[in-house]
Amino acid sequence: EVQLVESGGGFIPPGGSLRLSCAASGFTVSSSSLSWVRQAPGKGLEWVSHIYGGDFPTYGDSVKGRFTISRDDSKNTLYLQMNSLRAEDTAVYYCAKEVGGGFHYMDVWGKGTTVTVSS
Amino acid sequence: EIVLTQSPATLSLSPGERATLSCRASQSVSHYLAWYQQRPGQAPRLLIYEASSRATGVPARFSGSGSGTDFTLTISSLEPEDFAVYYCQQRATWPLTFGGGTKVEIK
Repeated sequence: EVQLVESGGGFIPPGGSLRLSCAASGFTVSSSSLSWVRQAPGKGLEWVSHIYGGDFPTYGDSVKGRFTISRDDSKNTLYLQMNSLRAEDTAVYYCAKEVGGGFHYMDVWGKGTTVTVSS
Repeated sequence: EIVLTQSPATLSLSPGERATLSCRASQSVSHYLAWYQQRPGQAPRLLIYEASSRATGVPARFSGSGSGTDFTLTISSLEPEDFAVYYCQQRATWPLTFGGGTKVEIK
């Protein structure tokens, strides 16, 4: 079964850093397109970042320069390093596997991990 | 950045009724559009991709149409489990963007 499990969320003061993890099973991250998507409390969905193979990662404008997406193929795990966190980064963060073939639609989602940025 | 505008914000309907949800793009996205369903406390679920193709396991009562800038998600006869929030998403250009969502609630 294809599955994604996020971890690493928590309570962090503004300006702090946090690394989210997303453990994958049932498929290999090295050959898959993957994204992080977030959802602020009571709000809609916001795409954050994407990675695929050896291609350059892509980022949303609101996180560019502060967040870094990466993966560890040996652990079959996706990461999101978040630096210089702001209150507006407070959200549930989902990792998602994209439909194969470069379609950039998310067909498998984790349950999410909550990040709260507050003093 | 392509802005997706969904309407209405809320749709109040009864089980068995037909639901018609709209998504309008600020510029053409061709047919590169998807629809997702999100129930309370759950992750989103892919329903429709490439404007009109149903994802695996999605019931036939869900259908998508449109191209260019105007898209529609239709639920032919609402089941109790269909009351949820629906989002559209485009993949035509980076950054990927989502619409603000339409909540389908029980009347």
